[in-house]
This record gives sequence, C-alpha cells and structure tokens, in this order.
Amino acid sequence: DTGVSQDPRHKITKRGQNVTFRCDPISEHNRLYWYRQTLGQGPEFLTYFQNEAQLEKSRLLSDRFSAERPKGSFSTLEIQRTEQGDSAMYLCASSLQQGNTEAFFGQGTRLTVV
Amino acid sequence: GENVEQHPSTLSVQEGDSAVIKCTYSDSASNYFPWYKQELGKRPQLIIDIRSNVGEKKDKRIAVTLNKTAKHFSLHITETQPEDSAVYFCASTDSWGKLQFGAGTQVVVTP
Repeated sequence: DTGVSQDPRHKITKRGQNVTFRCDPISEHNRLYWYRQTLGQGPEFLTYFQNEAQLEKSRLLSDRFSAERPKGSFSTLEIQRTEQGDSAMYLCASSLQQGNTEAFFGQGTRLTVV
Repeated sequence: GENVEQHPSTLSVQEGDSAVIKCTYSDSASNYFPWYKQELGKRPQLIIDIRSNVGEKKDKRIAVTLNKTAKHFSLHITETQPEDSAVYFCASTDSWGKLQFGAGTQVVVTP
C-alpha cells in the first residue's frame, strides 16, 4: 500500500494516560498535516510540517499535544494526560511541495478516552 | 489566519436534480481550493480542485467555480445519483500552503 498509513486505527485509553499516534506519509511527500475530526464536523487543523520543520501549531491546541517529524518522513502525535474531550478521529494527510496540490488522507486513528 | 465557511450544512435533493454547495474564505492570498467527499467511516477523498488562476473547472457531473473578488467558491453536482450521498468539504490553502476545511455539507440524494 503506497498511500498514507496511520497506526493504530483505534485506541481506547483511560483519562489521564498518554497516547501516541503514528503517520507514514506517501514517500515523496514533504508536506504532512495533522487534523482532528469529531462527528458532524470538518477536519480541524492541528499542525503541519514541511520536511522535518513544524511550520505551525494551532493556537487552539493545548500544551498537552505535541507532534514530531524527526527525519522528515513519518510523524508522531502525542497527547499527554488525555481528557474525555480529546475523543475524536485524528487524521493525517500528506502532499507534495507547498501544499497547493492534492492532500491524501490516511484512514485515521479513532481515539476514545474513557 | 484563514477561515472557511460552508453552506448549507445539510442538503437533500431528488435523484437527477442538481446540488450546489457554497464556501467563502477570508485570506486573499489563498490560491488553491480543493473539494473532498467523505463517505461514512471512510477518509476524505479529493473529487475536484481549482487554483486561483482559473474561474471554473468541470469534471463530468461535477463543476467548481471561483470568484476571487468575492472570495467565494462553489461546488455543483448535476444529475445527482444515490452514490453522491456523502459529506462534502471545501478547503483552501493560505500563502504558506496550510490547508483549512469548512464544516462540511451532508448531501442526501433520495430516489
């Protein structure tokens, strides 16, 4: 499969625990995005990378959220001290160059905080 | 930062009729406007896109128009079919290439 892959597909965690998600973009894509999607809403921008550089992090995102893309290939999104409000689908997408080309989405990681 | 607004939130059409979804954006430097379709439980997938140097683009039953002066763009689906039922998202990129999405339109095509 040469598309964007995300792992795990589903994660159930207890409130207060830390979780980490992984995204493997399409290999030649140097742009990588993280979004959060709740039921009935559009993908909400979290952060994005150009190669290994994190270009922007949403101001709505608390300090409990951090993302990395250490070698400019795969990326990880960590949520510390999870809260029930963190329950959502976390989507990763990648694209070529400056982002004005098609962004391909992974299948997402569904997080449930109990 | 960029703000994308999308209307309507739900749209019910009879099979064979047309569907129109409208979006507005705020960043005048935005230069790329994709539309995504998301079926239940699946990832968003691109159906059509338009760049700022073009006013209209068509692909079979789907067309998109862009009015840069008014900062709005629209998706038109003609001869709708039941398989067009899904959630549709508009999006735009700012001058840095950050992709922002609208809230989505639930389209229901009734036979």
